[in-house]
Amino acid sequence: DVKVTQSSRYLVKRTGEKVFLECVQDMDHENMFWYRQDPGLGLRLIYFSYDVKMKEKGDIPEGYSVSREKKERFSLILESASTNQTSMYLCASSLAGSGNTIYFGEGSWLTVV
Amino acid sequence: QKEVEQDPGPLSVPEGAIVSLNCTYSNSAFQYFMWYRQYSRKGPELLMYTYSSGNKEDGRFTAQVDKSSKYISLFIRDSQPSDSATYLCAMSVSGGADGLTFGKGTHLIIQP
Repeated sequence: DVKVTQSSRYLVKRTGEKVFLECVQDMDHENMFWYRQDPGLGLRLIYFSYDVKMKEKGDIPEGYSVSREKKERFSLILESASTNQTSMYLCASSLAGSGNTIYFGEGSWLTVV
Repeated sequence: QKEVEQDPGPLSVPEGAIVSLNCTYSNSAFQYFMWYRQYSRKGPELLMYTYSSGNKEDGRFTAQVDKSSKYISLFIRDSQPSDSATYLCAMSVSGGADGLTFGKGTHLIIQP
């Protein structure tokens, strides 16, 4: 089974803090994604990566950056957390050319106070 | 017009009923169609995957794609309380890394 692991399930951070959300997948997938999910807004793509050290902006990249130094690891960085970034963050991965059958992690619940 | 439309529900049905969940979409270039199930405070899990038009069956679940009508469906037979969850449809144009376009999900409740 594909396993996508998000190291932090629940976090509380202060406004202005730098926040790192880590994600690791164990299936040698080329593609990795970061989404956020909010009530009424659904899933929105923040960033994705199709290879090591490659990154592409999704629909809502503002206020976020990402890092992919190794194939299995994809990190989401909030440079200066704000209260409107309180959300559930979902990491996902997929095999190249798989029609984007994406496999998700369990999610990280971030509260910014 | 939103790319993918999905009724948010909640849809409440008695145990044992046949459930029909649906999505409509506007982009005729979509070729890959998926259904995800998401339990409360968990990540979505892939339930069904279909390429292009047609039906696919897996146990109690059947996925249908009608590209001419831009309409996809998920049927659940003999519904169980454990099927209570939010169901998200998703679709993509290519097999590339550009991610999926998701519906906002239908909240399904199976009453025991």
